[in-house]
Amino acid sequence: EIVLTQSPGTLSLSPGERATLSCRASRSVSSGYLAWYQQKPGQPPRLVIYGASSRATGIPDRFRGSGSGTDFTLTISRLEPEDFAVYYCQQYGSSSWTFGQGTKVEIK
Amino acid sequence: EVQLVQSGAEVKRPGESLKISCEGSGYSFTSYWVAWVRQMPGKGLEWMGIIYPADYRTAYSPSFQGQVTISADKSLRTAYLQWSSLEASDTAIYYCARQYGDSAPNDHWGQGTLVTVSS
Repeated sequence: EIVLTQSPGTLSLSPGERATLSCRASRSVSSGYLAWYQQKPGQPPRLVIYGASSRATGIPDRFRGSGSGTDFTLTISRLEPEDFAVYYCQQYGSSSWTFGQGTKVEIK
Repeated sequence: EVQLVQSGAEVKRPGESLKISCEGSGYSFTSYWVAWVRQMPGKGLEWMGIIYPADYRTAYSPSFQGQVTISADKSLRTAYLQWSSLEASDTAIYYCARQYGDSAPNDHWGQGTLVTVSS
């Protein structure tokens, strides 16, 4: 199965700053089947990005996904207070879906 | 409104069996796959497996194959996750989530079911 490695583990930033999250796959993710989810404490995950770069319904345009093959990035252009959360990448292109271990975006 | 409503929290002893549920509403239940995802206390998300309620096709993560059974009843619009013999290490929150196709992201999630296994 494809192993996804996210970095950094924790990102300490202030509101208004730019966040850059990385997700690296152990082998190529077919057809860009890469998603990003946001999870806040006590809540289920929420789909943010799918197909590597398409925003899910209701997701503001400060969220941008990019990448292909084995390297993917989630960028939040200007952090809002509600963006502080844990973010997971997920590949869904192989017969066994997998998640990365998560990146926590915390308030500095 | 699309909703996935999961059954309530469970407290079980090691060795006991358990079946938790996930009822879909507000959409065509047989047009979407339902996935199950585990989240152990303070840890990340783990994909367990998936079912297509229209024909009951399933696929499992190698890590969970043989450890759990995923099933569904399309007449009840409900998917299930079951264990025949729980272990303490099964303590976790279990989420169901739908997806449109076997290669699609999970666009709606249930609220999660907390399973606690303790002697």
